Amino acid sequence: QVHLVESGGDVVQPGRSLRLSCSASGFIFSSYAMHWVRQAPGKGLEWVAVMSYDGSVEYYADSVTGRFTVSRDNSENTLYLQMNSLRGEDTAVYYCARELSVSHGIDFWGQGTPVTVSS
Amino acid sequence: SYVLAQPPSVSVAPGQTARITCGGNNIGSESVHWYQQKPGQAPLMVVYDDNDRPSGIPERFSGSKSGNMATLTISRVDAGDEADYFCQVWHSRSNHYVFGSGTEVTVL
Repeated sequence: QVHLVESGGDVVQPGRSLRLSCSASGFIFSSYAMHWVRQAPGKGLEWVAVMSYDGSVEYYADSVTGRFTVSRDNSENTLYLQMNSLRGEDTAVYYCARELSVSHGIDFWGQGTPVTVSS
Repeated sequence: SYVLAQPPSVSVAPGQTARITCGGNNIGSESVHWYQQKPGQAPLMVVYDDNDRPSGIPERFSGSKSGNMATLTISRVDAGDEADYFCQVWHSRSNHYVFGSGTEVTVL
């Protein structure tokens, strides 16, 4: 049974940092690319970042480039998102999700962890 | 940046067919995926690679693509299909994943 469990969401002040984690189980983590996708309150889905199955490739949305860093530990089946210089517009639920390949799409999502950036 | 355009809302009577469009420049060259999201829940994939269904998704959900438009079709709609629906592609030219703006489906 596939599980993705995000953690680390919190209320933080603008300019501060936060690290999210995503613990994976029930599948071969090292075979999947992993994404972070966020959803601001009442808004649609916004892709944030992706890391390839082996950690060799990473891409970011323009809105987070230079501030956010995705990483993974395949030995611990865990995905991370380091978020620096947080802004109010980063307030959202952050979902971790897996993708076998571009043609297979993002086929499983975690339940998300909320991040609120406010003074 | 690459944009996928969806209608904000679609209303349909029970038992009828809902069609949700997703328009994007040169979308014909990309694999299009569709997700259903109910309030308070994580998204759920309902169609991948234009017109394939994940295991467990009813045959009532189908996808198609023509020209610069992809379409998600939900046949014999029931109240359980009320949700937001998002299309998504991997835009290879920009190395970005892109979601459509989302369509709220209301069952009358």
